[in-house]
Amino acid sequence: QVHLVQSGAEVKKPGSSVKISCKASGDNPTKYFISWVRQARGQGLEWLGRINPMTGRPDYAQKFQDRVTITADKSTTTAYVELSGLRLDDTAVYYCARDREEIVVLTPATREYHYMDVWGKGTTITVS
Amino acid sequence: EIVLTQSPDTLSLSPGERAALSCRASQSISSSYLAWYQQKPGQAPRLLIYGALNRATGIPDRFSGSRSGADFTLTISRLEPEDFAVYYCQHYGFSPPMYTFGQGTKLEIK
Repeated sequence: QVHLVQSGAEVKKPGSSVKISCKASGDNPTKYFISWVRQARGQGLEWLGRINPMTGRPDYAQKFQDRVTITADKSTTTAYVELSGLRLDDTAVYYCARDREEIVVLTPATREYHYMDVWGKGTTITVS
Repeated sequence: EIVLTQSPDTLSLSPGERAALSCRASQSISSSYLAWYQQKPGQAPRLLIYGALNRATGIPDRFSGSRSGADFTLTISRLEPEDFAVYYCQHYGFSPPMYTFGQGTKLEIK
């Protein structure tokens, strides 16, 4: 059973930075990518990026390329997202999620699936 | 970039009825990279379907996914009170790696 535990809510000033943590526990927690998704109040889901905890290599959504940094510490099985240059519209709940790549060998084809199957409870970031 | 458009924005039904939620991709996509999530107020999203057709672990069999051309459908065969929520479809693109979500469909009690 995998669990993702996120850091607590924060209130930030415009122009400042925030760093949110996501600690993974359970079965082989560094085996899977960790993605970060945010949701403004009453709005939909928006992907910020993800990281491979084993290699430390991040992938970013183009929209956030200049302001988001995603890192991971293998020794503590913790992933982080840092958002800089905070604006009022960065106010949102930020979720981390286990980002699974599942490869299924089927004769004659092989199927590759990508999905987020375990989620943290979310971290509320208020920019005010 | 793939754009996912969900319809309708809001669906009003009664418990026991059948629900069909649609997700249309702006370009041809592989079924393998399409997933569906359920989100209730104050909660994180929950994976329902991956690979367009496959139920995630622990998901009741009243939930099913299908595809017809560019349209993906999440069907709930017989609505239970706990099924009223917001549903999102999601696509994974691999060059470069990225996820996009549909805008969501709110399933509300009629």
